[in-house]
Amino acid sequence: KNEVEQSPQNLTAQEGEFITINCSYSVGISALHWLQQHPGGGIVSLFMLSSGKKKHGRLIATINIQEKHSSLHITASHPRDSAVYICAVRVFGNEKLTFGTGTRLTIIP
Amino acid sequence: GAGVSQSPSNKVTEKGKDVELRCDPISGHTALYWYRQSLGQGLEFLIYFQGNSAPDKSGLPSDRFSAERTGGSVSTLTIQRTQQEDSAVYLCASSSIWGQGYNEQFFGPGTRLTVL
Repeated sequence: KNEVEQSPQNLTAQEGEFITINCSYSVGISALHWLQQHPGGGIVSLFMLSSGKKKHGRLIATINIQEKHSSLHITASHPRDSAVYICAVRVFGNEKLTFGTGTRLTIIP
Repeated sequence: GAGVSQSPSNKVTEKGKDVELRCDPISGHTALYWYRQSLGQGLEFLIYFQGNSAPDKSGLPSDRFSAERTGGSVSTLTIQRTQQEDSAVYLCASSSIWGQGYNEQFFGPGTRLTVL
């Protein structure tokens, strides 16, 4: 079993819909990252969080440390949000990131 | 300011040859990471440098892989006697630290390695 599990693997939605991507992990962590990767593009860090909630524009990330679960929400989704979203955790005592397999999001106009 | 840069952007090599991949981190970032993204697979950690500390090499898949970081800045990932399974995108990232914690990682554009 992977230490970091994401769901769904693939998600297709209509423009304007509210999007939720989930990440569960099985280890103690010091931080969780949400990353975005556009097709053929580089990786961009969206959020790094260790507790609570963060918001940036239409993106919201939450984390529940007790339940070892994080969600990434996108409000008023747009075709330019189409990308792979990757959850990654930094395990206690170790600075490397362990990655989920990613969620491929497609927003249809 | 300038982000993380990597060179070359693409590298095609023949099986058995050695390759060197370069990473220039963001100026002032003391932490540097190498990751690999194989086709159809997720990202995996390779090696991590922090300041003058000994690097964490726990992710290197074999002794054909090595990396160094000179002067606390530029890093080179070397793959000796390349194999077809080494074909992947190799990503470098850097981050700054504060107190006991680390900030977000900034990723370079990657080097796409193809081993024929």
